[in-house]
Amino acid sequence: TQLLEQSPQFLSIQEGENLTVYCNSSSVFSSLQWYRQEPGEGPVLLVTVVTGGEVKKLKRLTFQFGDARKDSSLHITAAQPGDTGLYLCAGEADSWGKLQFGAGTQVVVTP
Amino acid sequence: DTGVSQDPRHKITKRGQNVTFRCDPISEHNRLYWYRQTLGQGPEFLTYFQNEAQLEKSRLLSDRFSAERPKGSFSTLEIQRTEQGDSAMYLCASSYGTGNTIYFGEGSWLTVV
Repeated sequence: TQLLEQSPQFLSIQEGENLTVYCNSSSVFSSLQWYRQEPGEGPVLLVTVVTGGEVKKLKRLTFQFGDARKDSSLHITAAQPGDTGLYLCAGEADSWGKLQFGAGTQVVVTP
Repeated sequence: DTGVSQDPRHKITKRGQNVTFRCDPISEHNRLYWYRQTLGQGPEFLTYFQNEAQLEKSRLLSDRFSAERPKGSFSTLEIQRTEQGDSAMYLCASSYGTGNTIYFGEGSWLTVV
């Protein structure tokens, strides 16, 4: 059972468009991480957010942690084909590295 | 630093056979984690080690699963009497202590036929 709900499950957009992926839970997390996973590979960490209300930017990616530390969002501006991948959010509940992952959002950016 | 290394990358086995996966973490990473990921799902936590001590095991880790990290370096995950439901990608990850980046390996795919 995934305690983190990600939406949408699948997103297909054209190059240059913006997109937002959501990660919601009824549980409070001490930190939340976003990963991107390519086919046949392990997840790669994009960002960790720790403080409620925190906003972090990584080039064209903007990550936000909800005030109550239960939800998060990932916004990509002017998406590029290289942004294609499975985006996973993961919450740390009680121990570093013991992560609860969402089911992921598959993003496809077409040229 | 070559990253987290997992072996084998792919394994096909018959139901009832035993399989063992090996994980070599990034050197000097004292924490090592095992996860399992099935198609269409995110990874699920199985267990983790700090040095050679196994500190926590998920309820997902049935009696047929055993993980070891005898010298605090590489780790093995053994599945005995495999079942079709064990088919998944088994991911290993490591970190240096807490609060630092967790690096995942490329995973070991298991198919039980």
